[in-house]
Order: sequence, then structure tokens, then C-alpha cells
Amino acid sequence: QSVLTQPPSVSAAPGQKVTISCSGSSSNIGKNYVSWYQQFPGTGPKFLIYENHERPSGIPDRFSGSKSGTSATLGITGLQTGDEADYYCGTWDSSLSAWVFGGGTKLTVL
Amino acid sequence: EVQLLESGGGLVQPGGSLRVSCAASGFTFGSYTMSWVRQAPGKGLEWVSAISSSGAYTYYADSVKGRFTISRDNSKDTLFLQMNSLRADDTAVYYCAKKKGDAFDIWGQGTMVTVSS
Repeated sequence: QSVLTQPPSVSAAPGQKVTISCSGSSSNIGKNYVSWYQQFPGTGPKFLIYENHERPSGIPDRFSGSKSGTSATLGITGLQTGDEADYYCGTWDSSLSAWVFGGGTKLTVL
Repeated sequence: EVQLLESGGGLVQPGGSLRVSCAASGFTFGSYTMSWVRQAPGKGLEWVSAISSSGAYTYYADSVKGRFTISRDNSKDTLFLQMNSLRADDTAVYYCAKKKGDAFDIWGQGTMVTVSS
């Protein structure tokens, strides 16, 4: 069981918008920055969002992040088939003194 | 080009040991905290360990504490993970990751560790 909770899967049609939720607690999301990662099969994760909503250079503005209380959300607009991947949220847990990740969400673009 | 390249994975028997390495290039390795993150087959990401830029401070997940040791050689831009008393549930792809602020901005391609008799 992951410390952070994500839906196992989400799906939407090309061109549509999708959101992926990440639920935690006061010791992790409630207290620390959240980051998001994209992973294609057989490859290492890719850095997508940091400090809750900031995008690294090279990440299109179709990807957005937000945080409220003990939950965070990744949004993807203008979905493309190339966005099909697994998405993970992550943050530091101050009580566990450990970095924690969500269980991952598989995005399907129908 | 900023790059992390893991090596050293393989098949090891339960109770055995293995050391995996991560060679860094394209950035000032000695200025950054580094971590190991693993992913069991078909599962999600699990943080394993971290080491401060100087190597003075180390952190471990409870699942590996006392069995794994993280270290680094800043003169050779290389990160290590010494894994002892390996168990079947340590079977995973092991990724090294560079920490930037409160996130991991660079990841390697991973090295597979299989613990089986």
C-alpha cells in the first residue's frame, strides 16, 4: 500500500482534458512540495512538475499541477496518444523521514 | 548532456550481496543530493535511499535499513548502492536519480536486480 493514493487508471479521448489525483496526509502533501513524473514502459521516469505547479523547461503548458490541503492534482489538456504513460506523484514525508510516491496512474488516450 | 547511467545489476541468490553503480555526467555531481529509487516488476516507484552532496548524511527506507548502504565518490562522479542480505522482494529495477530542490529532475535508465535461487 502506497502512502500517497492515486487512481489506478484514467482515460479520455484525444484532445480532451484529464486530471489525476494524489491524496496524502498532513505529514506529507500537507507540509511539503509535490512533484509529478511520467513513465513510459521500459524507461526511467521523467520529471514533469515540481513545487506543486512549476514546469521544468521543455515541459509543455498542457501539463499543470495544483495542490490543496493534503491533495494534489495533475492536469493534462489537449490529450495526445503520446501522453499514454504511467504518472506518479511524490513528496517527502516528514513523519516517516522518507520520500514517498503514489502507486501510479495509467493514462489511456482512447 | 546531463546523464545518469546505472550498472551492476544481475541475478543473485537470496542472502547474497550485490553492488550497483551510477555514473553521472553533464552536471556538477558533487553539488547534489542523490537517491536510489526502485520499481518491482509491474509495480510502482519505491524510494530506497538518499545521500547528501558531501556524503555526510544518508537516509534509508525502513525496508532496506541495515541491509543496504549508499555511498558516493565525488572524484569519480559515481553513486553506489551496496545491497546485502538480499531477499526475493528486493527484485526490481534500480534507478538512480538526481535531486533538485524537492524533486528528482534527472533519472537513469535503471539496472535490473533479480534475487532468486
